[in-house]
Amino acid sequence: EVKVVESGGDLVQPGGSLRLSCEVSGFSIINYCMHWVRQAPGKGLVWVSRTCPGGIADYADSVRGRFIISRDNARNALYLQMNNLRVEESALYYCVNLAYSDEKWGQGTLVTVSS
Amino acid sequence: QSALTQPPSASASPGQSVTISCSGTSSDVGTSTFVTWYQQHPGKAPKLLIYEITKRPSGVPDRFSGSRSGNTASLTISGLQAEDEADYYCNSYVNNKMIHVFGTGTKVTVL
Repeated sequence: EVKVVESGGDLVQPGGSLRLSCEVSGFSIINYCMHWVRQAPGKGLVWVSRTCPGGIADYADSVRGRFIISRDNARNALYLQMNNLRVEESALYYCVNLAYSDEKWGQGTLVTVSS
Repeated sequence: QSALTQPPSASASPGQSVTISCSGTSSDVGTSTFVTWYQQHPGKAPKLLIYEITKRPSGVPDRFSGSRSGNTASLTISGLQAEDEADYYCNSYVNNKMIHVFGTGTKVTVL
């Protein structure tokens, strides 16, 4: 069975940091570009970042320089280090192998940025 | 990078068809192979309906179809059913920036 499980979401103050994790089972991430997507309550989907085989990392303009995506192929895991968080970045953060025919989403992990 | 443009809402009666547009530019929707469509029910994770503009993953009914004309992609739902009432999003790779971008989302109502 394919499973994607995100964790690490929490309540954090503006300007704070948080590290999200995504554990994948049922397929090997080594062959895939892996992405983070977020969705604020009642709002639409927003692409955040991706990392592809070979170490390529790309970011949305709004997070570039503050967020760092990484992967551990041996652990079959994806991470997102989020620094200098803003109130408007409160959202459910999803991990997904976006745009593949066997794409699989997790249930997300909730990040709340508030003082 | 601005979000791709979708109509906020669309509606039709059961059994009818509804088409949702996704407007972008020649840097994304117009030239990218990686155009996808998602269905999202309240409180649930998105579900892939269409990938690579026109292809359906295993298990997705053939009532769902994708197409592209110029810089606009479209999702058509034929034979609309009550369970199709949901939010729908498009997504495209942006070739010259090596990023992805989602559409603004469309709420489909089955009358």
